[in-house]
Amino acid sequence: GAVVSQHPSWVICKSGTSVKIECRSLDFQATTMFWYRQFPKQSLMLMATSNEGSKATYEQGVEKDKFLINHASLTLSTLTVTSAHPEDSSFYICSARLLRVRLAGVAQETQYFGPGTRLLVL
Amino acid sequence: SQQGEEDPQALSIQEGENATMNCSYKTSINNLQWYRQNSGRGLVHLILIRSNEREKHSGRLRVTLDTSKKSSSLLITASRAADTASYFCATATQGGSEKLVFGKGMKLTVNP
Repeated sequence: GAVVSQHPSWVICKSGTSVKIECRSLDFQATTMFWYRQFPKQSLMLMATSNEGSKATYEQGVEKDKFLINHASLTLSTLTVTSAHPEDSSFYICSARLLRVRLAGVAQETQYFGPGTRLLVL
Repeated sequence: SQQGEEDPQALSIQEGENATMNCSYKTSINNLQWYRQNSGRGLVHLILIRSNEREKHSGRLRVTLDTSKKSSSLLITASRAADTASYFCATATQGGSEKLVFGKGMKLTVNP
């Protein structure tokens, strides 16, 4: 269980075009999803928090007009890179938050990550 | 500097040996998690340790947490070639924040 998928797995596009990446939780509902970016041999940097039915919360330095996030349903969040440029080339990874309530009401939160989308902008 | 910094950045060992990776962080945390990433792939959650826990085991994995030193270690015992991957620690801060702050990652190579 707790599988998250991303589509496409990789995309090559021309500079100036827009690219949409989908993140789906396949077997659970996720009110919260996260979008990360990872440059080669570097760590994951959180870009934004996507909340179902409301606007995304962007991290400092991330342009909300360039990276459009839509959390249309409890199982789908999309990231659109608008007017992509070569410097946007990166590995984009999403995660979906699964909240489990354990015995005695203790809540455990786990993020499940998608396989990532590699974007290359020429 | 970035929270959650693993030390060392790269480790190469022989199959059967143990591998230890360390992580330090700066702020108070709710929990600390370790993830594994194979080259060019997504992350796999390995283990979570809460701030009130000191040690946790899962199969060949052993995680310790020292909140006084703001550090954690991940031990992989009896390593296998299939353990070759990058390993990241990530901290969830106190105060109800859902966000994870990832460390720089450590590349482990297990030679057969």
